[in-house]
Amino acid sequence: GENVEQHPSTLSVQEGDSAVIKCTYSDSASNYFPWYKQELGKRPQLIIDIRSNVGEKKDQRIAVTLNKTAKHFSLHITETQPEDSAVYFCAAMGGSYIPTFGRGTSLIVHP
Amino acid sequence: NAGVTQTPKFQVLKTGQSMTLQCAQDMNHEYMSWYRQDPGMGLRLIHYSVGAGITDQGEVPNGYNVSRSTTEDFPLRLLSAAPSQTSVYFCASRGADWNTEAFFGQGTRLTVV
Repeated sequence: GENVEQHPSTLSVQEGDSAVIKCTYSDSASNYFPWYKQELGKRPQLIIDIRSNVGEKKDQRIAVTLNKTAKHFSLHITETQPEDSAVYFCAAMGGSYIPTFGRGTSLIVHP
Repeated sequence: NAGVTQTPKFQVLKTGQSMTLQCAQDMNHEYMSWYRQDPGMGLRLIHYSVGAGITDQGEVPNGYNVSRSTTEDFPLRLLSAAPSQTSVYFCASRGADWNTEAFFGQGTRLTVV
């Protein structure tokens, strides 16, 4: 089955800095890569996703990149704000139609 | 449109007790799944279903049962609760298209004492 590795487990930045979270996956059949944000005590919610036929996607301050050859994808957050503080999960999905999640990254943005 | 609804939100069980966590979705989604979330372990798949009458095991199925008699409902049963099952449980559903997101319920925080 699919295996998703996510790094780092904790990321601490100053407000206004950029943050990068990296994930690798093992199943070359995976073709859909969503990112979820989970605020404290809340459910995970989709913030951005990327499909296998696209190398990069941007939505305001967040962007995702995908390298299918190397089987890795990354989340980039620019101009971080305190409200960006949360746990972020990457996921990979392919033939099983059920997403496999990374272990999560706790992002802390210091004002 | 309620999305994915889980009940209860909180539950305390004694070791050996059984209970059912409820999950219902009103989006006519084919795929439903149950995850448990533990500190530092991310979201681990317990069981999933690709349609009514079809279920399969995920990464951590032991101690849990599921059934899918309708498209809308996907309950998770704890057969004999153990302290190791203390966790936050999330139900999720998604549509049949290969590139659609999964929607999560609000979670159930379960404590087994």
